Amino acid sequence: GAVVSQHPSRVICKSGTSVKIECRSLDFQATTMFWYRQFPKQSLMLMATSNEGSKATYEQGVEKDKFLINHASLTLSTLTVTSAHPEDSSFYICSARVREGAASGNTIYFGEGSWLTVV
Amino acid sequence: AQSVSQHNHHVILSEAASLELGCNYSYGGTVNLFWYVQYPGQHLQLLLKYFSGDPLVKGIKGFEAEFIKSKFSFNLRKPSVQWSDTAEYFCAVNQYYGQNFVFGPGTRLSVLP
Repeated sequence: GAVVSQHPSRVICKSGTSVKIECRSLDFQATTMFWYRQFPKQSLMLMATSNEGSKATYEQGVEKDKFLINHASLTLSTLTVTSAHPEDSSFYICSARVREGAASGNTIYFGEGSWLTVV
Repeated sequence: AQSVSQHNHHVILSEAASLELGCNYSYGGTVNLFWYVQYPGQHLQLLLKYFSGDPLVKGIKGFEAEFIKSKFSFNLRKPSVQWSDTAEYFCAVNQYYGQNFVFGPGTRLSVLP
């Protein structure tokens, strides 16, 4: 099946620095990618929807200047956490939707997630 | 490694038919279990979750799921589906106090009007 790769799977950064998480669709083109965050003992929360070549659509309450999302190509979306703080420590997961018209239609594939720890 | 399997890749039903989607996981410890749904063109939404207590969990839109620990299963059910239930359904497992979600591959449900 199709593969979505997230990198890094785990990252530790110092408070005040920025960290970038990549989400790649390895063998298909994805016009739309979704970024989620998991809070402790809770389910996933959608942060933003990323469309190739256009600005991401952020959910209410998500700071767009803090969580920068770029979807520069049909196979890559990045999430940059700027000026990270300890409360940003969380599990971030992306998913990618196969480009419409392809044989798989609108199938969604998930990345393995990235665990961010800000110290 | 922990894994989640879903029995069917694509299920096609007529309206009013009953639905059961299978989900099995491999982890032997305490787990939290989830079912998510993704409607065409939309983001992932939580249908229901199980953390502890009554193994029969009721969620939104008439869905329910039953946790059977001995079978490592968490099957999703709905007695009568509607055309609007057409979507992709994902089972997910999170180890208790664990850090990562593990998602199943998904089951596409197509409900014919």
